[in-house]
Amino acid sequence: KQEVTQIPAALSVPEGENLVLNCSFTDSAIYNLQWFRQDPGKGLTSLLLIQSSQREQTSGRLNASLDKSSGRSTLYIAASQPGDSATYLCALSRDSNYQLIWGAGTKLIIKP
Amino acid sequence: NAGVTQTPKFQVLKTGQSMTLQCAQDMNHEYMSWYRQDPGMGLRLIHYSVGAGITDQGEVPNGYNVSRSTTEDFPLRLLSAAPSQTSVYFCASRGRFDFTEAFFGQGTRLTVV
Repeated sequence: KQEVTQIPAALSVPEGENLVLNCSFTDSAIYNLQWFRQDPGKGLTSLLLIQSSQREQTSGRLNASLDKSSGRSTLYIAASQPGDSATYLCALSRDSNYQLIWGAGTKLIIKP
Repeated sequence: NAGVTQTPKFQVLKTGQSMTLQCAQDMNHEYMSWYRQDPGMGLRLIHYSVGAGITDQGEVPNGYNVSRSTTEDFPLRLLSAAPSQTSVYFCASRGRFDFTEAFFGQGTRLTVV
């Protein structure tokens, strides 16, 4: 059974730091992996989508990588800002149907 | 462009009551799904649909029904609410191809007393 783990559950860093959020999974047979952002009381916003054939995707200050052989994905945030404070979730799809398997998320706090 | 719209945003039910959570998308997406989010846990799939007239069960389907009569709408019905169904519910949609990202509604916070 595919399991997705995000460690740490919470992270607090000073503004301006570069940081890495981790997502690990137990089965390398994935279809794609997606990183989301969730703000308190709000829905989820898609940040980056990586296909199983890709190694990384970039959007602005965000870079997501995927290493299927080691069962890991990382989300790199450059020059963090207080507005980056949110919960970050990773989710992967194991086939072409819509079944996402989720990690529990990392709550990120950027201190001014 | 409204995206995915969920109603209501908040709801309080008494045990045993029934209700329908509404979800609509205007992106002509084939795939729609319902998730519940509980504290400290990842989202869990309740039901999903790969197109109009087609639905299937996810990880936690008991106590919920769905239907997909149109591409746009995917309502979730709670048949007889139980306190264990207190949660935040999210509806999501995605296009058919694997490179399309998922879009989520703002969520419905449901409390069953």
